[in-house]
Amino acid sequence: AQSVAQPEDQVNVAEGNPLTVKCTYSVSGNPYLFWYVQYPNRGLQFLLKYITGDNLVKGSYGFEAEFNKSQTSFHLKKPSALVSDSALYFCAVRDIRQGTYKYIFGTGTRLKVLA
Amino acid sequence: DAGVIQSPRHEVTEMGQEVTLRCKPISGHNSLFWYRQTMMRGLELLIYFNNNVPIDDSGMPEDRFSAKMPNASFSTLKIQPSEPRDSAVYFCASSFGAVWYEQYFGPGTRLTVT
Repeated sequence: AQSVAQPEDQVNVAEGNPLTVKCTYSVSGNPYLFWYVQYPNRGLQFLLKYITGDNLVKGSYGFEAEFNKSQTSFHLKKPSALVSDSALYFCAVRDIRQGTYKYIFGTGTRLKVLA
Repeated sequence: DAGVIQSPRHEVTEMGQEVTLRCKPISGHNSLFWYRQTMMRGLELLIYFNNNVPIDDSGMPEDRFSAKMPNASFSTLKIQPSEPRDSAVYFCASSFGAVWYEQYFGPGTRLTVT
């Protein structure tokens, strides 16, 4: 079955330190992977995606993600965290089984950046 | 572009009443998704349309829920009759149909059923 897992409910990091939010996936065929961020009382916002090509994908607000096929992971990273990065982060995979192109979301990871 | 538009932003209703949530997708997008988000269950896909046709409604909780997309620029999600356990934030999202495109979410409708 197509699925994504976010093993951490919450990640705490000090401002200025690098951050990593983990995501692993299970898909049949080529994975189409996405990261979204949700600020309080807002809808989800697209950050970045992996379709094909370079394993390091760069996105909005200084975020990047590393696709690792052997470890079936797509971890979100940022070299230097900001307090304003505090939010809920979702990893998602596009289900490309025949007849359905829906997105499958992880359970979300709450990132807290401490000043 | 104004993005995905949802109305109302907040809805408070009494148990048993009919509730209709509305969504206008981004112009040109041909896929539309309705999600529900709660603390307990997280983000759940309710139904997914492609070119105005429902493709997957396996997430619709029960017959009290129905969704329509009469044209490319409008969709509704209706709950009749509403129950307190339907209280949640309901999101609409749209996308181009190709697999590599991301979704764009609306601001959501916060529904409270008393």
